[in-house]
Amino acid sequence: DIQLTQSPSSLSASVGDRVTITCRASQNIRTFLNWYQHKPGKAPNLLIYTSSNVQSGVPSRFSGGGSGTDFTLTINSLRPEDFATYYCQQSYGAPLTFGGGTKIEIK
Amino acid sequence: QLVESGGGLVKPGQSLRLSCVVSGFNLSDFFISWIRQAPGGGLEWISYISSTTAYTNYAASVKGRFIVTRDNAKNSVYLQMDNLRVDDTARYFCARDSGFRGWFGPWGQGTLVTVSS
Repeated sequence: DIQLTQSPSSLSASVGDRVTITCRASQNIRTFLNWYQHKPGKAPNLLIYTSSNVQSGVPSRFSGGGSGTDFTLTINSLRPEDFATYYCQQSYGAPLTFGGGTKIEIK
Repeated sequence: QLVESGGGLVKPGQSLRLSCVVSGFNLSDFFISWIRQAPGGGLEWISYISSTTAYTNYAASVKGRFIVTRDNAKNSVYLQMDNLRVDDTARYFCARDSGFRGWFGPWGQGTLVTVSS
């Protein structure tokens, strides 16, 4: 199975901060890497697909990049509604796998 | 929109059938995946079914115990879960799956399955 390692596992940030989360794959997954936002009690929400494509309706402050084994999700100018847990997910190989999550908390 | 139902409290070895009812898009055009989240844990993909039901796939952790089916006429996908174990306790989400090497979205809010003696 392809392992995805996210870092950090949690972070504290303030409204207006720029935050970057990394996701490292255990093997080359080209650009088949997606990002989701999840708030407690809510449905997870697709943010970025195929490494860098922003899903329709997602604010432009979210961006993604990377290829091969190293990927990033960046949130420019954090808003109060961005405090949540973020997951990466690979679709290069079966079984589909997720990273362990990064929880962004309010400083 | 996707809405899951059918969760509940069961004993080890018992069965449950989850349903996922979709609206707002043509179910017959899309794969559907089931993904779960154990309490305090991360997300685990467990199954998908292709748009024509010609193909299904399962995670090793549920293979042989869970079966996914769909009824496009009823806009519904089902997850039959047999021989449930304590470690199957989780919130179960269904999500539209864009297909081979794709992504999940939108998702439902999930239904909680608790397996305990």
